[in-house]
Amino acid sequence: KQEVTQIPAALSVPEGENLVLNCSFTDSAIYNLQWFRQDPGKGLTSLLLIQSSQREQTSGRLNASLDKSSGRSTLYIAASQPGDSATYLCAVRPPGANSKLTFGKGITLSVRP
Amino acid sequence: SQTIHQWPATLVQPVGSPLSLECTVEGTSNPNLYWYRQAAGRGLQLLFYSVGIGQISSEVPQNLSASRPQDRQFILSSKKLLLSDSGFYLCAWSDLESGSYGYTFGSGTRLTVV
Repeated sequence: KQEVTQIPAALSVPEGENLVLNCSFTDSAIYNLQWFRQDPGKGLTSLLLIQSSQREQTSGRLNASLDKSSGRSTLYIAASQPGDSATYLCAVRPPGANSKLTFGKGITLSVRP
Repeated sequence: SQTIHQWPATLVQPVGSPLSLECTVEGTSNPNLYWYRQAAGRGLQLLFYSVGIGQISSEVPQNLSASRPQDRQFILSSKKLLLSDSGFYLCAWSDLESGSYGYTFGSGTRLTVV
């Protein structure tokens, strides 16, 4: 059974810092991995989607990497801003059209001005 | 472009009352649809998923049910709400057409059962 772990559960950094959020998964047989952002009381916003054949994806100040063999993904946030404060969740999807995501519990990030 | 609509945003219901939450998707055909619940301080729990009209799979036994009367409509229901049904309910769809199989979530419904 796939398990997705995100440690630490919470992180507080000063504004401007470059930071890395980690995600690990136990079963390397995945179809893709997706990073989401969730603001308090809101739905999930997809940040980056990495297919199993890809090593990384970039969007603006965000860069996500995927290492299937080691069961790890990282979300890199450059020059963090207070507006980046949110909960970040990673989720992996196994192969199969009707397969379902397994989510980590998320990392709550606070960027201090 | 594809969009997902979920309503209402907030709902306060008494114990024992019925529930109906609706989710619709636009801009895609035959999506996989999902209902998740997120309880306070807990992770996302998959409640139901559907791969087509009238096809519903339940992930956990509970007081809720789901239906998919149309291709792009997914409804979460209960005949009699319990206090334990309180939570944040999220609808999602999975993009099969493009082959990316990425998930897109709605904005959620905050349900408080009193």
